[in-house]
Amino acid sequence: DTGVSQDPRHKITKRGQNVTFRCDPISEHNRLYWYRQTLGQGPEFLTYFQNEAQLEKSRLLSDRFSAERPKGSFSTLEIQRTEQGDSAMYLCASSRSSVTYEQYFGPGTRLTVT
Amino acid sequence: DQQVKQNSPSLSVQEGRISILNCDYTNSMFDYFLWYKKYPAEGPTFLISISSIKDKNEDGRFTVFLNKSAKHLSLHIVPSQPGDSAVYFCAASGRNYGQNFVFGPGTRLSVLP
Repeated sequence: DTGVSQDPRHKITKRGQNVTFRCDPISEHNRLYWYRQTLGQGPEFLTYFQNEAQLEKSRLLSDRFSAERPKGSFSTLEIQRTEQGDSAMYLCASSRSSVTYEQYFGPGTRLTVT
Repeated sequence: DQQVKQNSPSLSVQEGRISILNCDYTNSMFDYFLWYKKYPAEGPTFLISISSIKDKNEDGRFTVFLNKSAKHLSLHIVPSQPGDSAVYFCAASGRNYGQNFVFGPGTRLSVLP
């Protein structure tokens, strides 16, 4: 069990650019979640996959955000036309469907939009 | 409108004493509660959970108490150790929330040697 990994760990981009983050969940976990965390706040739910199906999306997930999990393993989160308000830590988590409440988080990708 | 509140941003406790972290929620549809611990530069780590059918759950040095009528839960750490120094998040979910977990803003615990 190597844990949840995220890449890159840090990303600095200019406003208006597109960015893509990758998450590799724990191998036997079929559920994968994306969260966003800003300074002084707890993680905010963005979206969730069961296998390759995206089953739930938060209203926080604007049209500029898209997430995929094409083969039910790793996932990508893309932000198009980034804005300064997108600066945050983006966290990925995974869980087994039989123990859904226990989510294992990755270290996160810190995005800074200048 | 914060549905999960942790009104103490920080807490300092002497090593060996009890740490009590508090969490309040406003949504009566929540029926499952979790505590996560977060060290710097790491993602949150699951610590302990409690279902609304219970009022207490214990795991080693960690005990979570749930008071449904008050919509309040607390995490007790006894005895506190310096390695417990971290940010603690309370999170809640419910049948009508699917996989949507609502996190509080966190409490930074410092255990002083």
